[in-house]
Amino acid sequence: DIQLTQSPASLSASVGDRVTITCRASRSISNYVNWYQQKPGKAPMVLIYGASTLQTGAPSRFSGSGSGTDFTLTIGSLQPEDLAIYFCQQSYSSPWTFGQGTKVEIK
Amino acid sequence: QVQLVQSGAEVKKPGASVKVSCKTSGYTFTSSGISWVRQAPGQGLEWMGWISTYSDSRSYAQKFRDRVTLTIDASTSTVFLEMRSLTSDDTAVYYCARPIPVPGTTLNYFASWGQGTLVTVSS
Repeated sequence: DIQLTQSPASLSASVGDRVTITCRASRSISNYVNWYQQKPGKAPMVLIYGASTLQTGAPSRFSGSGSGTDFTLTIGSLQPEDLAIYFCQQSYSSPWTFGQGTKVEIK
Repeated sequence: QVQLVQSGAEVKKPGASVKVSCKTSGYTFTSSGISWVRQAPGQGLEWMGWISTYSDSRSYAQKFRDRVTLTIDASTSTVFLEMRSLTSDDTAVYYCARPIPVPGTTLNYFASWGQGTLVTVSS
């Protein structure tokens, strides 16, 4: 199985800060990474697919990059509504796996 | 619009079975399969398996292969997850999710999710 390791596990930042979350795969997965946002008590929602494509309707302050084993989700200017847990997920091979999540808090 | 509506919360005793439903609407039922993903309290997301809604083929994560069965009822556009021999470790929110492909590629992602079904296993 492909393991995805996210860092950090949690972070606290101020409104307007630039926030970066990383996801490392245990082997090369090309660009087969998706990023999801899960707000408290809600189902996850896709933000980025194919490592860098912004889902229709997702705010433009979210961006993704990377290929191979190292991937990054960036929030360009943190907003109060970005309080959530963020997960990466690979669809390169079955079983599809998720990172353990990064909890983003607002200072 | 695409909707996945799941059945309500369940409370089960250890050793029992549970069956969760996911009723789909807003798209052609046979155009894409359905996956199930669970989330234990305060934990991450765990993919359990996938069923095709056009070929009836299935794929399961190894740890669930012996205890989980995915089925479909095409007449109601509904997908079912049945899990047997429940233990307290199965206490979690269970989500159905619709993976869709990115046109012209083999990429796919979970575009739509159900609202989740809490299954509590307790004596």
